Amino acid sequence: DQQVKQNSPSLSVQEGRISILNCDYTNSMFDYFLWYKKYPAEGPTFLISISSIKDKNEDGRFTVFLNKSAKHLSLHIVPSQPGDSAVYFCAASAREYGNKLVFGAGTILRVKS
Amino acid sequence: NAGVTQTPKFQVLKTGQSMTLQCAQDMNHNSMYWYRQDPGMGLRLIYYSASEGTTDKGEVPNGYNVSRLNKREFSLRLESAAPSQTSVYFCASSEWATFLDQPQHFGDGTRLSIL
Repeated sequence: DQQVKQNSPSLSVQEGRISILNCDYTNSMFDYFLWYKKYPAEGPTFLISISSIKDKNEDGRFTVFLNKSAKHLSLHIVPSQPGDSAVYFCAASAREYGNKLVFGAGTILRVKS
Repeated sequence: NAGVTQTPKFQVLKTGQSMTLQCAQDMNHNSMYWYRQDPGMGLRLIYYSASEGTTDKGEVPNGYNVSRLNKREFSLRLESAAPSQTSVYFCASSEWATFLDQPQHFGDGTRLSIL
């Protein structure tokens, strides 16, 4: 039973346009959400996070939106660049569970130049 | 800026062989983690160590053991490898497991194949 779901295995976007990656979760105990980016043959690297008390967090070209009622979050990348091509993992954690991360299966983003 | 270092990067084992995956971090982090990543799935937590001297099971601990050797090092052992343990293994560390706003830092992984 996947508690964190990324339903789009892949996404292709033109350079300069917006990339929108989506993530759904089922466990209402989750209170912190993170996005990680992963290049081939490397480990995931932290990108951006959001607490459940917020609905938006911005860091440069990256913005994460959280809709608690829908149990949905999304990552917006504007403008998209070829170097953004990677696998993006959504992850969730709960204070109740000691900050153990539960990951989605990932979305492969390809930014075409 | 080594961060989290995992050794080896690649390994091929035969069914029934044993193996220890090594992980070391130089960020003075207190908490360390072992994950596995399989095709079409996200990373799944095998074991973690919230602080030196403690270890706890994660989501998929069966077939594995861990040792928190000291604050820097956290090893993962497969006592009798099985083909189902073919995977990419990632080690991670964070300042404190209970600090939600302290992201985990990952090593580059060990790709393990069991024949």
